[in-house]
Amino acid sequence: NAGVTQTPKFQVLKTGQSMTLQCAQDMNHEYMSWYRQDPGMGLRLIHYSVGAGITDQGEVPNGYNVSRSTTEDFPLRLLSAAPSQTSVYFCASSQPGTGVAFFGQGTRLTVV
Amino acid sequence: KNEVEQSPQNLTAQEGEFITINCSYSVGISALHWLQQHPGGGIVSLFMLSSGKKKHGRLIATINIQEKHSSLHITASHPRDSAVYICAVRYNNDMRFGAGTRLTVKP
Repeated sequence: NAGVTQTPKFQVLKTGQSMTLQCAQDMNHEYMSWYRQDPGMGLRLIHYSVGAGITDQGEVPNGYNVSRSTTEDFPLRLLSAAPSQTSVYFCASSQPGTGVAFFGQGTRLTVV
Repeated sequence: KNEVEQSPQNLTAQEGEFITINCSYSVGISALHWLQQHPGGGIVSLFMLSSGKKKHGRLIATINIQEKHSSLHITASHPRDSAVYICAVRYNNDMRFGAGTRLTVKP
């Protein structure tokens, strides 16, 4: 099915470990974004991209890196995981103008 | 103060009732989104609004740009409408989210 594919669904990391959350979409959307969702905080924008080769910071970018080498893929990297990064992460894509956003299934990350 | 405020935080209704969820925001926006998050965690986009009103099935969303306010209405509510409804505003390419309204519809 067309849509946003986000992997993995669950992950446990030790403090200091690194990992990459993968996000891919097959709808040729220009806009892609990463969010984290914490209890009582709601969703917060981490990083976003308006097209291949273009990325920018959102509300809570510290501790995360992104790149956008292709239209389809927008990986999120944690270089040195910290317990404060324990959260549920969502990737989304949309096409400017239509406004409809498609979300990945989410990744539940626990950093111990 | 959060830039996006939703009310109520929690809402319990009987099947068939008319539901209203409110969203107020404090920044100038280019668009407002309503999202639905299912109990399993998946998020679905319901509406994007920049003005006026939109309707999809039993769902109606309105926005008043001057008053910086939007409402999501559900007519003839059903237990399958039970979910968290999230308001989000877009300004430039940034997004800000409300904390969500947890709706429970009882049969």
